[in-house]
Amino acid sequence: GQQVMQIPQYQHVQEGEDFTTYCNSSTTLSNIQWYKQRPGGHPVFLIQLVKSGEVKKQKRLTFQFGEAKKNSSLHITATQTTDVGTYFCAGQGAQKLVFGQGTRLTINP
Amino acid sequence: NAGVTQTPKFQVLKTGQSMTLQCAQDMNHNSMYWYRQDPGMGLRLIYYSASEGTTDKGEVPNGYNVSRLNKREFSLRLESAAPSQTSVYFCASSTIWGDQQPQHFGDGTRLSIL
Repeated sequence: GQQVMQIPQYQHVQEGEDFTTYCNSSTTLSNIQWYKQRPGGHPVFLIQLVKSGEVKKQKRLTFQFGEAKKNSSLHITATQTTDVGTYFCAGQGAQKLVFGQGTRLTINP
Repeated sequence: NAGVTQTPKFQVLKTGQSMTLQCAQDMNHNSMYWYRQDPGMGLRLIYYSASEGTTDKGEVPNGYNVSRLNKREFSLRLESAAPSQTSVYFCASSTIWGDQQPQHFGDGTRLSIL
């Protein structure tokens, strides 16, 4: 079945450093979604990418969808303590949304 | 705006006990989902209901049953709880099944089985 792998599992950075998490699917996706979960909270939808090679930005966050629609990345520029949390990608294949394992980001102020 | 409401927020059970987790959404969404979240495993789909009147198995359905009571409510039942079912359970909903719709999550139920 469809699998979505996300790396790294954990990332610790100094405040102000950049952060990137990568997502790879075993199958071609129709779209990919990104979610953020604050510690003790629930996943919250951030963005969706649909087109091959698509790049979207939300302030310091940059999301990319690969040309083959099998991989994606989230890059945060100049992290802030408010960025702490776990970032999940979720790939949609035929119908079901399959979540990656998540990347837990911690930040040293 | 309540969104997706889950009850209870916390529960401790003994092995073999049964319980039902409740979920309700007020966004007029057609599709609803139950996930479990374990450390390092991400979110795994237990069951889903693409529309009122239908339910289907997800990735990890064993040991669980669901009921789509009406368009708003989707419950998850553990008939005979096992320690392996200790987890955080999230209910989610979306406008329609598939078709690039984001999911909206409840606050979760933290379930411990002794």
